[in-house]
Amino acid sequence: DVVMTQTPVSLSVSLGGQTSISCRSSQSLVHSDGNTYLYWYLQKPGQSPQLLIYKVSNRFSGVPDRFSGSGSGTDFTLKISRVEPEDLGVYYCYQGTHYPLTFGSGTKLEIK
Amino acid sequence: EVQLVESGGGLVQPGRSLKLSCAASGFTFSNYYMAWVRQAPKKGLEWVATISTSGSRTYYPDSVKGRFTISRDNAKSSLYLQMNSLKSEDTATYYCARSGPELPGYNYSPNWFAYWGQGTLVTVSS
Repeated sequence: DVVMTQTPVSLSVSLGGQTSISCRSSQSLVHSDGNTYLYWYLQKPGQSPQLLIYKVSNRFSGVPDRFSGSGSGTDFTLKISRVEPEDLGVYYCYQGTHYPLTFGSGTKLEIK
Repeated sequence: EVQLVESGGGLVQPGRSLKLSCAASGFTFSNYYMAWVRQAPKKGLEWVATISTSGSRTYYPDSVKGRFTISRDNAKSSLYLQMNSLKSEDTATYYCARSGPELPGYNYSPNWFAYWGQGTLVTVSS
């Protein structure tokens, strides 16, 4: 199984600040079709998860450009700039390349 | 607007069965792969099952393989999860999620979860 390792486990950021979350996979996420199926989700308190970034660096519909994804192969990063109160919650990376499909263990973002 | 509404959760004894349902609307259900994802209390997300558009292909992790069965009724725009031989570790909120579209002739992975329902809680306890 592909293990998705997220760091840090938690972080605290000031409003208006910037932060990043790292996600590493135990094997390459490049699919046989050449795409890399790495996604980022945010689960706000008491809500269902919501898709932020698809295929490494593409923002999903309605996601502000404060969120950006990057990386390749086994190493990926989610950056959040100009942090706002509604950004608090747990961020998960997820890989859709290999079965079984697997999520990272999550990074809890708190606002200072 | 895409809507996914789960139902069927509740309290069930270990070893018993339960069937979850998910009613979909706001998109052409038959064109999309569908999935179930669960979240144990205060824990992270775990993929549970995926089904192809026609229902002919299903995928599971080892943790539920042989006990859970995903199915769909395209005429009713509904997704199901039959859970048998339930264990305490199956206690979780179960989310229905829409995956990617069927793209005939394309070798690609439709395995993402663009839209999620609100979840239904399953508690396995005696």
